[in-house]
Amino acid sequence: AQSVSQHNHHVILSEAASLELGCNYSYGGTVNLFWYVQYPGQHLQLLLKYFSGDPLVKGIKGFEAEFIKSKFSFNLRKPSVQWSDTAEYFCAVNVRGSTLGRLYFGRGTQLTVWP
Amino acid sequence: DAGVTQSPTHLIKTRGQQVTLRCSPKSGHDTVSWYQQALGQGPQFIFQYYEEEERQRGNFPDRFSGHQFPNYSSELNVNALLLGDSALYLCASSPTGEGVAFFGQGTRLTVV
Repeated sequence: AQSVSQHNHHVILSEAASLELGCNYSYGGTVNLFWYVQYPGQHLQLLLKYFSGDPLVKGIKGFEAEFIKSKFSFNLRKPSVQWSDTAEYFCAVNVRGSTLGRLYFGRGTQLTVWP
Repeated sequence: DAGVTQSPTHLIKTRGQQVTLRCSPKSGHDTVSWYQQALGQGPQFIFQYYEEEERQRGNFPDRFSGHQFPNYSSELNVNALLLGDSALYLCASSPTGEGVAFFGQGTRLTVV
């Protein structure tokens, strides 16, 4: 069965620090990859996605992620975090060719940024 | 353009009761999925509806059932509620084939 692992459950950073959140998935086939963010009191929002092409994808608010197929990883990065980035971040995977797009989520990483 | 809307936002039920949650998908989306998010966990897939039929199902008992209407809106029904059913229930909609899901704010269900 597909599974998604997020290595850090809670990350605490000061503003302007760099961020990297790890995500690994276990599925040998072709997948689409996503990072979703959930700000306090808000719904899950798409941060960025990878379907194909350049493995380095850029999303909203200065976030980017790199797909490394050989490592089954899709790590999220941001060079300089802001207090407003405080949120919970979820990595998710679905199986390419499954047009109905069932998502498999990691358990999430809570990011707290101190001003 | 309204996004995905869910109702109610909060609900308290007693063990053994039944509950119905509702979802209206984003305009132009015909596929609706339901997820359960327990505290401290990522969302877990319950099932998915397309063309008014359940097309995929996750590892949830038959107490969880659903329906999709001709206007693509959907309901999630849970019978014989257990304390462990307490969670945030998320509805997601997507346009067929794109695979990008848009989520509602969820319904927080508390079973006492």
